[in-house]
Amino acid sequence: AQSVTQPDIHITVSEGASLELRCNYSYGATPYLFWYVQSPGQGLQLLLKYFSGDTLVQGIKGFEAEFKRSQSSFNLRKPSVHWSDAAEYFCAVGEGRGSTLGRLYFGRGTQLTVWP
Amino acid sequence: DTEVTQTPKHLVMGMTNKKSLKCEQHMGHRAMYWYKQKAKKPPELMFVYSYEKLSINESVPSRFSPECPNSSLLNLHLHALQPEDSALYLCASSQGGLAGDPDTQYFGPGTRLTVL
Repeated sequence: AQSVTQPDIHITVSEGASLELRCNYSYGATPYLFWYVQSPGQGLQLLLKYFSGDTLVQGIKGFEAEFKRSQSSFNLRKPSVHWSDAAEYFCAVGEGRGSTLGRLYFGRGTQLTVWP
Repeated sequence: DTEVTQTPKHLVMGMTNKKSLKCEQHMGHRAMYWYKQKAKKPPELMFVYSYEKLSINESVPSRFSPECPNSSLLNLHLHALQPEDSALYLCASSQGGLAGDPDTQYFGPGTRLTVL
């Protein structure tokens, strides 16, 4: 069965510091992987996605993520965090190609706090 | 443009009221989704419509009734809700996967529902 693990419930970093949010997945076939960000009371915004090809993917807002099949991981990184990056981050694995709907399996989320 | 709109932004209702949530997208997407999200939790899938037909119902209580009048519009009719139904209700849409690429879901800002 598909599952996503985000080991860190809450991470605190100082503004300007680097960031890495961890995500591990369990999926029987080729995974389709996503990172979403959610500000308080808002919807989910797509940061980036991995389907195939280059294992280092670039997203919006200066984020990137690296797919490592051997470690079943898809960690999100940012070299220098801004105070506006404080939010909840969700990793998700999607299934389906062709006629199968893209059901998403979410991790529990990681809350990011940024100190000034 | 990857915009999904939802109205209203906030809704307060009593347990005997009938209300509706509305979701709209103009991206030509053929799949639309309703999610329920409680605080500090990931979104939980409720319903999926594909080509205006209900494809997935995640055993949601009948007091929630979805409707897809056309490919751009998705409604969620609410009746006789319970206080524990208070949550953020998110709508999402996706291309539908029929193009051969894995599906990507785009989320609306959500409706914050409070049931008194």
